[in-house]
Amino acid sequence: AQKVTQAQTEISVVEKEDVTLDCVYETRDTTYYLFWYKQPPSGELVFLIRRNSFDEQNEISGRYSWNFQKSTSSFNFTITASQVVDSAVYFCALSEAVFGNEKLTFGTGTRLTIIP
Amino acid sequence: DAGITQSPRHKVTETGTPVTLRCHQTENHRYMYWYRQDPGHGLRLIHYSYGVKDTDKGEVSDGYSVSRSKTEDFLLTLESATSSQTSVYFCAISESTRDAAYNEQFFGPGTRLTVL
Repeated sequence: AQKVTQAQTEISVVEKEDVTLDCVYETRDTTYYLFWYKQPPSGELVFLIRRNSFDEQNEISGRYSWNFQKSTSSFNFTITASQVVDSAVYFCALSEAVFGNEKLTFGTGTRLTIIP
Repeated sequence: DAGITQSPRHKVTETGTPVTLRCHQTENHRYMYWYRQDPGHGLRLIHYSYGVKDTDKGEVSDGYSVSRSKTEDFLLTLESATSSQTSVYFCAISESTRDAAYNEQFFGPGTRLTVL
């Protein structure tokens, strides 16, 4: 069975600080996909990134970066120079790579508050 | 933004009454999903569909049924609502093919359901 653990329930940082959100996953599959979603206070879910299990390169998109390490089954998300608009709940999710069965297993989310 | 709408956006109902939530997409995507979001649980899959009239159960399907008679519409029905079904319900869509598989899911705006 798949499982995603986001141990940090809530994090608060002062604006402009860097912050890392942790995600640890469990799967028996050798091929799988990992995702991060953002849920701002308005409630919608916004897709941030998808990563397949064969690509361990770190990815950077502006102030956002992701560190994927298969050795520790982790897919951590770092926000550099945080801003108030980054305040949201962030979800990590895992999908088996079985065609026709792309069901997502979500973590319980991390609520990030950026203090002005 | 992906063209996904959910109706109603808010609903208050009483225990024992039937409730139907509608998800409508304009993207012609093959896959559609229903999730529920509850504090401490993240998002959990209720049912999903991989084509017209093709549906399957997710992690928390008890008490729910679905139907998909057209590509664009995916209905979630609570035959006899209970207070434990008070939640926020999200619809999602994705498009995967053998050549471009495991694409990310895009989410609708959500429906807040309260069962009294």
